[in-house]
Amino acid sequence: DTEVTQTPKHLVMGMTNKKSLKCEQHMGHRAMYWYKQKAKKPPELMFVYSYEKLSINESVPSRFSPECPNSSLLNLHLHALQPEDSALYLCASSHADGAYEQYFGPGTRLTVT
Amino acid sequence: KQEVTQIPAALSVPEGENLVLNCSFTDSAIYNLQWFRQDPGKGLTSLLLIQSSQREQTSGRLNASLDKSSGRSTLYIAASQPGDSATYLCAVFSGAGSYQLTFGKGTKLSVIP
Repeated sequence: DTEVTQTPKHLVMGMTNKKSLKCEQHMGHRAMYWYKQKAKKPPELMFVYSYEKLSINESVPSRFSPECPNSSLLNLHLHALQPEDSALYLCASSHADGAYEQYFGPGTRLTVT
Repeated sequence: KQEVTQIPAALSVPEGENLVLNCSFTDSAIYNLQWFRQDPGKGLTSLLLIQSSQREQTSGRLNASLDKSSGRSTLYIAASQPGDSATYLCAVFSGAGSYQLTFGKGTKLSVIP
């Protein structure tokens, strides 16, 4: 099973709301990633977790707060977002943090109003 | 800084044709290269991963080649089908100590029945 699941599929939120995105994998992978993808652009890396610890933060604004409660789960907490944060948010996982094949989830389409 | 280019940006072919998608990268010091497909508004599906020591990798009707010294990879799709219509993304793992994917902007493929 090479499945990464993400919930919700779609999310609409106001600029004052707090919401969370969830990602789950059961492949025993120890690295998990958050990417942001704008329309007609390639994915941009936001965060990398390795063995449940944050290893890379690509200078992402603090209104995005990642969390890795355990090796199978990855959350992205959202607060006080801006309309320009509207995008497809993709989660991925790999065997470990390194040059391993990455498996992506279906994404959460986020719209900030 | 690694840069990945995919040409053409869009390609339209009749069903049944064999086709080649191109990917080039500026820094040949890569660990491996991964090809993905992305359907509109969806996540990325990993198609093939080629290690830097490999020359090619095959999966079904797909064949990916890698010429690390010249900074090129090709994805060959045999006997194209309408269901192959999607955007194909090439991504490389590169950078000493920086295990991150650098994506190209993709080739949007349309297979006409």
